[in-house]
Amino acid sequence: EVKLVESGGRVIRPGGSLRLSCAASGFSFGDYGMSWVRQVPGKGLEWVSGIKWNADRTVYADSVKGRFIISRDNAKNSLYLQMNSLRAEDTALYYCVRDHSSGWYDGFVIWGQGTMVTVSS
Amino acid sequence: QSALTQPASVSGSPGQSITISCTGTSSDIGGSDYVSWYQQHPGSAPQLIIYDVTNRPSGVFSRFSGSKSGNTASLTISGLQAEDEADYYCSSTTASTTVIFGGGTRVTVL
Repeated sequence: EVKLVESGGRVIRPGGSLRLSCAASGFSFGDYGMSWVRQVPGKGLEWVSGIKWNADRTVYADSVKGRFIISRDNAKNSLYLQMNSLRAEDTALYYCVRDHSSGWYDGFVIWGQGTMVTVSS
Repeated sequence: QSALTQPASVSGSPGQSITISCTGTSSDIGGSDYVSWYQQHPGSAPQLIIYDVTNRPSGVFSRFSGSKSGNTASLTISGLQAEDEADYYCSSTTASTTVIFGGGTRVTVL
């Protein structure tokens, strides 16, 4: 079964740091680009960051550039999102998503169930 | 960059066809071959229903079709069914290789 399972979400104070993880199974993880997409409950989708299959290219939304770092470990079939200098507006459900191709932009064909990050004092 | 523009809601009766528009600029939809559409039912993760403007992933019903003209992409649902009631989101790559989503459209089956 093709699966993405996110973890690491919790309540954290503004200015804090958090690392999200995504464990992939059921497909050849190293062949595909990956992204993180977030959604405030009841609101729309926002793409956060993407990484190419071999990690030699990473891209970020302006809203998180300079604060978040995406990475992957193909040997461990895992995707990560290091979130620094967290703000209230980063509060959302964070989805790990697999791309249709080796890039990060060609359609998000597999979605995890999401992990909730709440930034609040 | 601002989100792509979608109508907030679209409705139709069972069996009818509806079209959802997604308007951007020449820096995203107009210059991109990578336009996608997603369906999201309440409480569930989104599901990809169209990629590369017109392509359907395996398992997606043929009543879903995509197109693009200039800076506007469109999703058409032909033969609307009750289970099509959901939120729909478009997305596109941008000139800076980021990805941008539309604000979402709530489809109601009357």
